[in-house]
Amino acid sequence: AQSVSQHNHHVILSEAASLELGCNYSYGGTVNLFWYVQYPGQHLQLLLKYFSGDPLVKGIKGFEAEFIKSKFSFNLRKPSVQWSDTAEYFCAVGFFGNEKLTFGTGTRLTIIP
Amino acid sequence: GAVVSQHPSWVICKSGTSVKIECRSLDFQATTMFWYRQFPKQSLMLMATSNEGSKATYEQGVEKDKFLINHASLTLSTLTVTSAHPEDSSFYICSGLRNTGELFFGEGSRLTVL
Repeated sequence: AQSVSQHNHHVILSEAASLELGCNYSYGGTVNLFWYVQYPGQHLQLLLKYFSGDPLVKGIKGFEAEFIKSKFSFNLRKPSVQWSDTAEYFCAVGFFGNEKLTFGTGTRLTIIP
Repeated sequence: GAVVSQHPSWVICKSGTSVKIECRSLDFQATTMFWYRQFPKQSLMLMATSNEGSKATYEQGVEKDKFLINHASLTLSTLTVTSAHPEDSSFYICSGLRNTGELFFGEGSRLTVL
């Protein structure tokens, strides 16, 4: 069955550190890839998405992600994090290229000032 | 971005009662809405796909008679948890699909069944 894995459950970084959160999926067909962020007490918001084209996608707030098809990965990166990036980050995959999303378990990111 | 609102955001009920949760797309029409369930420290699990004017499509393992979904208009979908039990306590989240292909999520509704 198709699945999405986020191996980092809780990441703690200092401000200005670089960030990379892993996301892997298991499916050899067409996928749509998403990263969502959930700030404390708020609803899920879309950070960025990949449907096709350039595998390096840029999203809001300085985030980017790279789709590496051979590795079935879509890792999220940010070169310099801020305290305000403290949140829960979810990778999501639309298998078969549709809108029904399968979510990873999420990664809690804590930024220390 | 577009706005999806859920109501209530928090509800406590007695075991055996039914609870209705509303999901509204405030500034766009959503022919498709999705309902998810999130357990503490776990991921969102898709429960069902709600299509306006037709029956919802439930994911495997989700009891359709227990979780009644109605999508009567292009801006409103409701989830009714019937004869709720403590194991139904969870965080329920909906999302609306805009015609641009983007999903917008509600704030979630926390259900506690005593």
